[in-house]
Amino acid sequence: DGGITQSPKYLFRKEGQNVTLSCEQNLNHDAMYWYRQDPGQGLRLIYYSQIVNDFQKGDIAEGYSVSREKKESFPLTVTSAQKNPTAFYLCASSPQGWDTSSGANVLTFGAGSRLTVL
Amino acid sequence: AQSVTQLDSQVPVFEEAPVELRCNYSSSVSVYLFWYVQYPNQGLQLLLKYLSGSTLVESINGFEAEFNKSQTSFHLRKPSVHISDTAEYFCAVRGTDKLIFGTGTRLQVFP
Repeated sequence: DGGITQSPKYLFRKEGQNVTLSCEQNLNHDAMYWYRQDPGQGLRLIYYSQIVNDFQKGDIAEGYSVSREKKESFPLTVTSAQKNPTAFYLCASSPQGWDTSSGANVLTFGAGSRLTVL
Repeated sequence: AQSVTQLDSQVPVFEEAPVELRCNYSSSVSVYLFWYVQYPNQGLQLLLKYLSGSTLVESINGFEAEFNKSQTSFHLRKPSVHISDTAEYFCAVRGTDKLIFGTGTRLQVFP
């Protein structure tokens, strides 16, 4: 079945350590996104990528980094510069980039990764 | 700029009762609206969407939402809820370069 796989599902790290969250999709989608979810704040966009080897900052990119070397993969690194990294991280994809003339793009989400920094 | 407001952070309701989850939006471009549902410790799943055409849209599990342009609303309704509907519900509007989510409404259905 096609979908998005995020790993690990749960991750514990010590303060000051970098951590990388994996996101893989087999939907042949062009665009991929990383969101952060905190209680009562909804979803906030961290980074997004509309094509391979290109990505843009979202609303809260500070302290995070990404790469898009393959269409299927969009890993997120939470660096030690992120002041409050404990959160639920969601990866998503959509069939095409954000083309305002082509109508809405429906996002498909992974099951999420819960990061706890001790 | 586009934005979404979900007025209720929590909605408790008894099983088989009707429910309405409220969503208001602000958009300066063509309006595309969505409701997503999130079950505990899972990702979001698309529940229904409004792109154009009929202002009343329905999902396969009995939810419906009505696009009201004059009131800039897209409220989600179900005439009779089940225990299994307990989840968090997010309203979203398509922005110029991203999907913009509301802060979510937690629907808690009691037996």
